[in-house]
Amino acid sequence: DTGVSQDPRHKITKRGQNVTFRCDPISEHNRLYWYRQTLGQGPEFLTYFQNEAQLEKSRLLSDRFSAERPKGSFSTLEIQRTEQGDSAMYLCASRAGGRAVFDNEQFFGPGTRLTVL
Amino acid sequence: AQTVTQSQPEMSVQEAETVTLSCTYDTSESDYYLFWYKQPPSRQMILVIRQEAYKQQNATENRFSVNFQKAAKSFSLKISDSQLGDAAMYFCAYRSQEISSGSARQLTFGSGTQLTVLP
Repeated sequence: DTGVSQDPRHKITKRGQNVTFRCDPISEHNRLYWYRQTLGQGPEFLTYFQNEAQLEKSRLLSDRFSAERPKGSFSTLEIQRTEQGDSAMYLCASRAGGRAVFDNEQFFGPGTRLTVL
Repeated sequence: AQTVTQSQPEMSVQEAETVTLSCTYDTSESDYYLFWYKQPPSRQMILVIRQEAYKQQNATENRFSVNFQKAAKSFSLKISDSQLGDAAMYFCAYRSQEISSGSARQLTFGSGTQLTVLP
């Protein structure tokens, strides 16, 4: 499978615990995005990587959230001291660089559903 | 900041019939892209169709077509000959034209329309 993969698919945790999610983008894609999707809403942008550099962060990304992409390949999103409001689907997407039209598409992973009890 | 509005939380259509999903957006930019994404239950989001704002011709992809009205900031999706497999949440999304090579070009999504296809 050459699509975007995410692990785990589901995570249940207790309030106050730390959680970490992983995203493996399509191998030739150097741009990677994290989005958060709450129930009944569309995804909201969290952060963006170009290669290993984190170039943009949304104001939604509080200081309890940290994302990394150490070698410009897979990425991790960590949430520290989870709160019930963090319960959501966390989506990863990747796209190729360049300016051609076919490079515009973001390919999404299946998401990690987080439930904070 | 750009906003995307989908005013139909739920829609239903009879199999083989045609349905139109509405989307409006707000932007001060002149160059941008618009997308419709499909999110089936428990499955990942996939791109259905895209439209470049500088193109006047409406995009079509097989049974899917859009009605892009730039002045009205409207971008509706028409699904013809609806099939059971079309049942999903549909999201309208906006993306700015790239400003620089480091620009995120992230998507701004609407709240979605849940489409049910009735056999």
